[in-house]
Amino acid sequence: GQNIDQPTEMTATEGAIVQINCTYQTSGFNGLFWYQQHAGEAPTFLSYNVLDGLEEKGRFSSFLSRSKGYSYLLLKELQMKDSASYLCAALDSNYQLIWGAGTKLIIKP
Amino acid sequence: GAVVSQHPSRVICKSGTSVKIECRSLDFQATTMFWYRQFPKQSLMLMATSNEGSKATYEQGVEKDKFLINHASLTLSTLTVTSAHPEDSSFYICSARDPGRENTEAFFGQGTRLTVV
Repeated sequence: GQNIDQPTEMTATEGAIVQINCTYQTSGFNGLFWYQQHAGEAPTFLSYNVLDGLEEKGRFSSFLSRSKGYSYLLLKELQMKDSASYLCAALDSNYQLIWGAGTKLIIKP
Repeated sequence: GAVVSQHPSRVICKSGTSVKIECRSLDFQATTMFWYRQFPKQSLMLMATSNEGSKATYEQGVEKDKFLINHASLTLSTLTVTSAHPEDSSFYICSARDPGRENTEAFFGQGTRLTVV
């Protein structure tokens, strides 16, 4: 079956760095997405990786290892507004998104 | 960039009535749209895949007679929750991907918070 695993909840301090991990098992693979979702709102796109390596975009970076079925989202210089759920989603061979349960990130002052 | 618009954002209805939710792609033609449901503190759950000009494909456990999907044009898909009950109260979100750009992100509508009283 298809499966996405990510931690349920993480806590970090304002100004620090946090890494959210995601492992996936899908029927075929056409890329991995990270989304941010604030409570009661629709997810917003953060990043897309289809090749191995690190993609940096401002304070956020995303890494992919296809051979390991592994990705992480790295958030630097954390701000209080970064408190949200972070969803990992893999695109399978049918171009359907398979969602993780999301990681709730709590930022403390 | 591509935008998907969903309406209404919030709706409260009485038990037993039906509610229609619209999802529009504003600057691309979406041959396929996806409908998700999200209960509090849970992940997005795919309900069905809406295909323009043909029947929707429903995920296991989703009642197709209760959640009617119509995708009559390349820019509009609708989800109708028929005979709604309190347990149908949830956050419903549609998404679409630009078929001309396969390896790109899904664009989401704003979501609809449905409360059945």
